[in-house]
Amino acid sequence: AQKITQTQPGMFVQEKEAVTLDCTYDTSDQSYGLFWYKQPSSGEMIFLIYQGSYDEQNATEGRYSLNFQKARKSANLVISASQLGDSAMYFCAMREGPKDGNNRLAFGKGNQVVVIP
Amino acid sequence: DSGVTQTPKHLITATGQRVTLRCSPRSGDLSVYWYQQSLDQGLQFLIQYYNGEERAKGNILERFSAQQFPDLHSELNLSSLELGDSALYFCASSVGDTVGADTQYFGPGTRLTVL
Repeated sequence: AQKITQTQPGMFVQEKEAVTLDCTYDTSDQSYGLFWYKQPSSGEMIFLIYQGSYDEQNATEGRYSLNFQKARKSANLVISASQLGDSAMYFCAMREGPKDGNNRLAFGKGNQVVVIP
Repeated sequence: DSGVTQTPKHLITATGQRVTLRCSPRSGDLSVYWYQQSLDQGLQFLIQYYNGEERAKGNILERFSAQQFPDLHSELNLSSLELGDSALYFCASSVGDTVGADTQYFGPGTRLTVL
């Protein structure tokens, strides 16, 4: 069963506008972590932001914020003031537990974002 | 730069061959992870090592094996290669904490092409 769902089609966003990327997850664990990574066309995976299941505040890192709605099992990424360099594929990932030090990440299929000037 | 290094960056080989991918984790990280990214399967977890010991196993084929050495670098060995093994292979590392984020930082990847 798919644990992370990212279903939005490719998105075009105007420079300086905000964009929201949807992510829903499925887990029966009480303790888990949610991550967002960025993969530009060059291929590397860049860590953006983390939200723990017990964190009461939504995570923020610079222009990135995470809209965490635990009851709905969603962890949407918001990128404010988009820049041309934000054009990339964005992946949502979940780590269940950890259990016995098993910190594996399950990734969604990704959201493609293209920022246009 | 994440601090995780992977070599080689690109690898082109033929079916039936064997290759070794190498990864050096960030300084201070004890856990190493291997992931495979392909168009049809997306990003899939393969295996995790912690301080030299296997910690978790995912969708890793029997033709694939890995190890983590005393200096904490890791190698992923792929043998009897098939066309379908063509993919981007990532190594990631983390401190290996059992609490908190224990964020994984990814290397630049090795792009394997099997002809």
